[in-house]
Amino acid sequence: KNQVEQSPQSLIILEGKNCTLQCNYTVSPFSNLRWYKQDTGRGPVSLTIMTFSENTKSNGRYTATLDADTKQSSLHITASQLSDSASYICVVSGTGGFKTIFGAGTRLFVKA
Amino acid sequence: NAGVMQNPRHLVRRRGQEARLRCSPMKGHSHVYWYRQLPEEGLKFMVYLQKENIIDESGMPKERFSAEFPKEGPSILRIQQVVRGDSAAYFCASSLNGQTDTEAFFGQGTRLTVV
Repeated sequence: KNQVEQSPQSLIILEGKNCTLQCNYTVSPFSNLRWYKQDTGRGPVSLTIMTFSENTKSNGRYTATLDADTKQSSLHITASQLSDSASYICVVSGTGGFKTIFGAGTRLFVKA
Repeated sequence: NAGVMQNPRHLVRRRGQEARLRCSPMKGHSHVYWYRQLPEEGLKFMVYLQKENIIDESGMPKERFSAEFPKEGPSILRIQQVVRGDSAAYFCASSLNGQTDTEAFFGQGTRLTVV
């Protein structure tokens, strides 16, 4: 069964600290993995996309990694800011027709 | 180039009424996806449409829900005889083509409340 599991479910960190969010998936065959940021009451916005051959992708203070062998990805946020408070969603797409699975998200709270 | 536009942003319906949610994709995009997000849960795929065609409706409940994307005008998600359990945020996304490595852009969502 194709699944995307994210951990932790929620996370509280202090402003300026780093954090890492995890995503494990079983989608097969694999096409690509995206990380989205969803602010409260808004639609998701894409942060990074990685295909099978890529193992790291950066977007400012966000760095995503992908290990296609172990089917794991992480999103590392450096020097967190209050505006980073949001849900971070891991989305995995397979090949052969439309097959995209959304993780439940990690809810990040950044406190001053 | 305006982003994906959804309206209304908030919709309140009484049980048994119909809800019509609209989605105007980004200019040039002919692929539209609808998702439902229950409170504190992740997005769940409902339906994928291309102009005048339903490509995949595997996530859509069999009864009361329907979607269309006509040749002209926005995509419409229609929920007939709404029940309390239909209360959720409904998001629409659009993309240039149906390839999974093509980015889909999301609208701000419609929050449906059934009272």
